[in-house]
Amino acid sequence: GGIITQTPKFLIGQEGQKLTLKCQQNFNHDTMYWYRQDSGKGLRLIYYSITENDLQKGDLSEGYDASREKKSSFSLTVTSAQKNEMAVFLCASSWGTISGNTLYFGEGSRLIVV
Amino acid sequence: GDQVEQSPSALSLHEGTGSALRCNFTTTMRAVQWFRKNSRGSLINLFYLASGTKENGRLKSAFDSKERYSTLHIRDAQLEDSGTYFCAADTNAYKVIFGKGTHLHVLP
Repeated sequence: GGIITQTPKFLIGQEGQKLTLKCQQNFNHDTMYWYRQDSGKGLRLIYYSITENDLQKGDLSEGYDASREKKSSFSLTVTSAQKNEMAVFLCASSWGTISGNTLYFGEGSRLIVV
Repeated sequence: GDQVEQSPSALSLHEGTGSALRCNFTTTMRAVQWFRKNSRGSLINLFYLASGTKENGRLKSAFDSKERYSTLHIRDAQLEDSGTYFCAADTNAYKVIFGKGTHLHVLP
């Protein structure tokens, strides 16, 4: 079986700082996703990518950049961290595009803004 | 077999009318989420439900974990509602399964 590795597990940054989260998958999946999970709320999609160098916006893309440098990796950058940014960021991947597919998630990266 | 069955696969509505999309699950799901993919390719979150119903404007969604289904009702459809709608079921902390989508076309 494959695995999705998110680094770091905890990221502490200052308000206004540019912070980057990384995600690696060894499923050889085509599509990768970044979600944000806030306490008591569902997953909100920030960006997804259907292939290397592709980027598609979710409904929370403002304030974030993403990069699909190669098929196995997808990074997310918070362009200017805010105190309300303190949430868990989840990376996921799947075969093909969204339709009818199963997403496998990493364990999450918790962002703490001081 | 598929764990998430979404229907219909395509739907045409005249402006001002309404209909419902449905997702049936073959197993108990913890929660369901509904998304809309618009013409620009963006995937927009509509609802997240762990139980019960939620309403937002002309959209209303329900999720019954025990009966293994979720619905998305659209009323007074507008042209900008056109797009592809997906349900996504949360099976556990590390797996989410998407339905195959419903292509909605709102006609003037």
